Amino acid sequence: ETGVTQSPTHLIKTRGQQVTLRCSSQSGHNTVSWYQQALGQGPQFIFQYYREEENGRGNFPPRFSGLQFPNYSSELNVNALELDDSALYLCASSWTSGSSYNEQFFGPGTRLTVL
Amino acid sequence: AQSVTQLDSQVPVFEEAPVELRCNYSSSVSVYLFWYVQYPNQGLQLLLKYLSGSTLVKGINGFEAEFNKSQTSFHLRKPSVHISDTAEYFCAVTRAWRDDKIIFGKGTRLHILP
Repeated sequence: ETGVTQSPTHLIKTRGQQVTLRCSSQSGHNTVSWYQQALGQGPQFIFQYYREEENGRGNFPPRFSGLQFPNYSSELNVNALELDDSALYLCASSWTSGSSYNEQFFGPGTRLTVL
Repeated sequence: AQSVTQLDSQVPVFEEAPVELRCNYSSSVSVYLFWYVQYPNQGLQLLLKYLSGSTLVKGINGFEAEFNKSQTSFHLRKPSVHISDTAEYFCAVTRAWRDDKIIFGKGTRLHILP
Protein backbone atom coordinates (compact mmCIF):
# COMPACT_ATOMS: atom_id res chain seq x y z
CA GLU A 1 0.00 0.00 0.00
CA THR A 2 1.46 3.36 -1.06
CA GLY A 3 1.29 6.18 1.44
CA VAL A 4 0.63 9.85 0.80
CA THR A 5 3.25 11.48 -1.38
CA GLN A 6 3.86 15.14 -2.14
CA SER A 7 5.89 16.98 -4.75
CA PRO A 8 8.10 18.83 -4.90
CA THR A 9 9.94 18.42 -1.61
CA HIS A 10 11.26 21.97 -1.61
CA LEU A 11 10.42 25.02 -3.67
CA ILE A 12 11.70 28.57 -3.82
CA LYS A 13 9.59 31.33 -5.37
CA THR A 14 9.61 35.10 -5.41
CA ARG A 15 6.88 37.40 -4.19
CA GLY A 16 4.03 37.79 -6.66
CA GLN A 17 4.61 34.48 -8.42
CA GLN A 18 2.21 31.56 -8.54
CA VAL A 19 2.89 28.03 -7.27
CA THR A 20 1.30 24.59 -7.62
CA LEU A 21 1.88 21.86 -5.08
CA ARG A 22 0.87 18.27 -5.71
CA CYS A 23 -0.37 15.44 -3.53
CA SER A 24 -1.00 11.81 -4.32
CA SER A 25 -3.48 10.26 -1.91
CA GLN A 26 -3.09 6.91 -0.26
CA SER A 27 -4.61 4.16 -2.36
CA GLY A 28 -8.40 3.98 -2.02
CA HIS A 29 -8.82 7.34 -0.26
CA ASN A 30 -11.47 9.74 -1.54
CA THR A 31 -10.82 12.80 0.63
CA VAL A 32 -7.85 15.14 0.78
CA SER A 33 -7.14 17.97 3.18
CA TRP A 34 -4.43 20.63 2.94
CA TYR A 35 -2.70 22.33 5.87
CA GLN A 36 -0.18 25.16 6.16
CA GLN A 37 2.46 24.90 8.88
CA ALA A 38 4.42 28.10 9.43
CA LEU A 39 7.76 27.85 11.19
CA GLY A 40 7.31 27.16 14.90
CA GLN A 41 3.53 26.77 14.59
CA GLY A 42 1.02 23.96 14.38
CA PRO A 43 -0.60 23.11 11.05
CA GLN A 44 -3.58 25.25 10.00
CA PHE A 45 -6.42 23.87 7.89
CA ILE A 46 -6.64 25.39 4.40
CA PHE A 47 -9.41 23.33 2.77
CA GLN A 48 -10.70 19.83 2.14
CA TYR A 49 -11.88 18.11 -1.04
CA TYR A 50 -14.25 15.16 -1.17
CA ARG A 51 -15.01 13.51 -4.51
CA GLU A 52 -13.64 16.52 -6.42
CA GLU A 53 -15.75 19.11 -4.56
CA GLU A 54 -14.57 21.54 -1.91
CA ASN A 55 -15.90 20.29 1.42
CA GLY A 56 -14.83 22.92 3.90
CA ARG A 57 -12.41 25.81 4.00
CA GLY A 58 -10.34 27.47 6.67
CA ASN A 59 -9.50 31.13 7.09
CA PHE A 60 -7.41 31.53 3.94
CA PRO A 61 -7.91 34.08 1.13
CA PRO A 62 -9.25 33.09 -2.31
CA ARG A 63 -5.77 33.17 -3.82
CA PHE A 64 -5.40 29.74 -2.18
CA SER A 65 -7.29 27.31 -4.40
CA GLY A 66 -7.34 23.60 -4.97
CA LEU A 67 -8.34 20.77 -7.21
CA GLN A 68 -9.02 17.10 -6.70
CA PHE A 69 -8.86 14.81 -9.70
CA PRO A 70 -10.86 11.64 -10.49
CA ASN A 71 -7.94 9.51 -9.32
CA TYR A 72 -8.13 11.47 -6.04
CA SER A 73 -4.77 13.15 -6.46
CA SER A 74 -4.85 16.83 -5.60
CA GLU A 75 -3.27 20.21 -6.22
CA LEU A 76 -2.90 23.29 -4.08
CA ASN A 77 -2.47 26.52 -6.04
CA VAL A 78 -1.36 29.79 -4.50
CA ASN A 79 -1.46 32.99 -6.55
CA ALA A 80 0.29 36.29 -5.89
CA LEU A 81 2.69 34.79 -3.38
CA GLU A 82 3.49 36.79 -0.26
CA LEU A 83 6.44 36.43 2.10
CA ASP A 84 4.11 35.05 4.80
CA ASP A 85 3.20 32.14 2.53
CA SER A 86 6.59 30.61 3.34
CA ALA A 87 5.71 27.42 5.19
CA LEU A 88 5.53 23.65 5.11
CA TYR A 89 2.41 22.57 3.21
CA LEU A 90 0.98 19.24 4.28
CA CYS A 91 -1.67 17.19 2.59
CA ALA A 92 -3.59 14.43 4.28
CA SER A 93 -5.82 11.80 2.73
CA SER A 94 -8.63 9.77 4.23
CA TRP A 95 -11.50 7.49 3.28
CA THR A 96 -14.80 9.21 4.04
CA SER A 97 -17.44 6.62 4.81
CA GLY A 98 -20.48 6.35 7.04
CA SER A 99 -18.40 5.72 10.13
CA SER A 100 -17.88 8.35 12.79
CA TYR A 101 -14.15 8.70 12.36
CA ASN A 102 -11.83 8.36 9.40
CA GLU A 103 -8.13 8.83 10.08
CA GLN A 104 -6.25 11.39 8.04
CA PHE A 105 -2.85 10.18 6.83
CA PHE A 106 -0.28 12.90 6.28
CA GLY A 107 2.32 13.25 3.57
CA PRO A 108 5.87 14.49 4.24
CA GLY A 109 5.07 18.02 3.08
CA THR A 110 6.40 20.57 0.62
CA ARG A 111 8.62 23.29 2.02
CA LEU A 112 7.83 26.56 0.21
CA THR A 113 10.14 29.55 0.58
CA VAL A 114 9.02 32.92 -0.80
CA LEU A 115 11.76 35.50 -1.29
CA ALA B 1 -15.42 26.73 17.46
CA GLN B 2 -12.72 24.52 18.85
CA SER B 3 -9.28 25.50 20.14
CA VAL B 4 -6.24 23.75 21.59
CA THR B 5 -3.67 25.11 24.03
CA GLN B 6 -0.38 23.38 24.61
CA LEU B 7 0.95 24.80 27.81
CA ASP B 8 4.65 24.26 27.19
CA SER B 9 6.52 25.22 24.04
CA GLN B 10 9.58 23.19 25.07
CA VAL B 11 10.11 20.40 27.58
CA PRO B 12 13.62 19.21 28.48
CA VAL B 13 13.84 15.82 30.15
CA PHE B 14 16.63 13.40 30.92
CA GLU B 15 16.79 10.11 29.08
CA GLU B 16 14.89 7.31 30.87
CA ALA B 17 12.95 9.86 32.95
CA PRO B 18 9.15 10.17 32.74
CA VAL B 19 7.55 13.02 30.80
CA GLU B 20 4.16 14.71 30.58
CA LEU B 21 3.16 17.07 27.78
CA ARG B 22 0.14 19.16 28.67
CA CYS B 23 -2.82 19.95 26.45
CA ASN B 24 -6.11 21.74 27.12
CA TYR B 25 -8.94 22.15 24.64
CA SER B 26 -12.07 24.21 24.29
CA SER B 27 -15.24 23.20 22.47
CA SER B 28 -19.00 23.60 22.77
CA VAL B 29 -19.63 20.30 20.96
CA SER B 30 -18.34 16.76 21.29
CA VAL B 31 -14.82 16.31 19.99
CA TYR B 32 -12.23 13.71 19.17
CA LEU B 33 -8.75 14.29 20.55
CA PHE B 34 -5.37 13.39 19.10
CA TRP B 35 -1.66 13.56 19.66
CA TYR B 36 0.63 13.69 16.62
CA VAL B 37 4.42 13.52 16.48
CA GLN B 38 6.59 15.27 13.91
CA TYR B 39 10.22 14.24 13.59
CA PRO B 40 12.64 16.73 11.99
CA ASN B 41 11.92 17.33 8.30
CA GLN B 42 9.03 14.88 8.27
CA GLY B 43 5.24 14.94 8.16
CA LEU B 44 2.87 14.14 10.99
CA GLN B 45 2.37 10.70 12.49
CA LEU B 46 -0.60 9.83 14.69
CA LEU B 47 0.53 8.74 18.17
CA LEU B 48 -2.89 8.08 19.68
CA LYS B 49 -6.49 9.18 19.62
CA TYR B 50 -9.51 9.44 21.91
CA LEU B 51 -12.88 8.89 20.27
CA SER B 52 -14.99 7.52 23.12
CA GLY B 53 -14.95 4.92 25.88
CA SER B 54 -12.03 4.47 28.25
CA THR B 55 -10.45 7.79 29.15
CA LEU B 56 -6.96 6.28 29.18
CA VAL B 57 -5.73 5.64 25.68
CA LYS B 58 -2.53 3.92 24.69
CA GLY B 59 -0.61 4.71 21.55
CA ILE B 60 2.54 3.81 19.72
CA ASN B 61 6.08 4.02 21.09
CA GLY B 62 4.93 3.57 24.70
CA PHE B 63 2.93 6.82 24.89
CA GLU B 64 -0.44 7.15 26.60
CA ALA B 65 -2.87 9.98 27.24
CA GLU B 66 -5.77 10.57 29.58
CA PHE B 67 -8.94 12.39 28.59
CA ASN B 68 -10.35 14.49 31.41
CA LYS B 69 -13.67 16.04 30.42
CA SER B 70 -14.11 18.13 33.56
CA GLN B 71 -10.65 19.65 33.18
CA THR B 72 -10.93 19.74 29.35
CA SER B 73 -7.46 18.23 29.22
CA PHE B 74 -5.73 15.52 27.24
CA HIS B 75 -2.20 15.23 28.62
CA LEU B 76 0.36 12.94 26.99
CA ARG B 77 2.67 10.79 29.12
CA LYS B 78 5.52 8.34 28.76
CA PRO B 79 7.08 6.58 31.76
CA SER B 80 10.62 6.48 30.31
CA VAL B 81 11.81 8.51 27.35
CA HIS B 82 14.49 7.61 24.86
CA ILE B 83 16.72 9.81 22.74
CA SER B 84 14.66 8.75 19.72
CA ASP B 85 11.63 10.52 21.22
CA THR B 86 13.19 13.88 20.37
CA ALA B 87 10.52 15.53 18.20
CA GLU B 88 7.71 18.07 18.08
CA TYR B 89 4.41 16.90 19.56
CA PHE B 90 1.06 18.34 18.57
CA CYS B 91 -2.21 18.02 20.40
CA ALA B 92 -5.22 18.28 18.10
CA VAL B 93 -9.01 18.21 18.09
CA THR B 94 -11.76 17.68 15.57
CA ARG B 95 -15.53 17.76 15.85
CA ALA B 96 -16.98 14.35 16.58
CA TRP B 97 -18.83 12.65 13.72
CA ARG B 98 -17.40 15.08 11.17
CA ASP B 99 -14.69 14.42 8.61
CA ASP B 100 -13.43 17.92 8.39
CA LYS B 101 -10.64 20.06 9.72
CA ILE B 102 -8.24 19.08 12.44
CA ILE B 103 -7.33 21.95 14.74
CA PHE B 104 -3.80 21.75 16.08
CA GLY B 105 -2.05 23.31 19.02
CA LYS B 106 1.21 25.17 18.53
CA GLY B 107 3.30 22.17 19.50
CA THR B 108 5.68 21.15 22.26
CA ARG B 109 9.29 20.42 21.45
CA LEU B 110 10.59 17.51 23.51
CA HIS B 111 14.34 17.71 24.24
CA ILE B 112 15.90 14.52 25.56
CA LEU B 113 19.01 15.21 27.61
CA PRO B 114 21.73 12.54 27.86
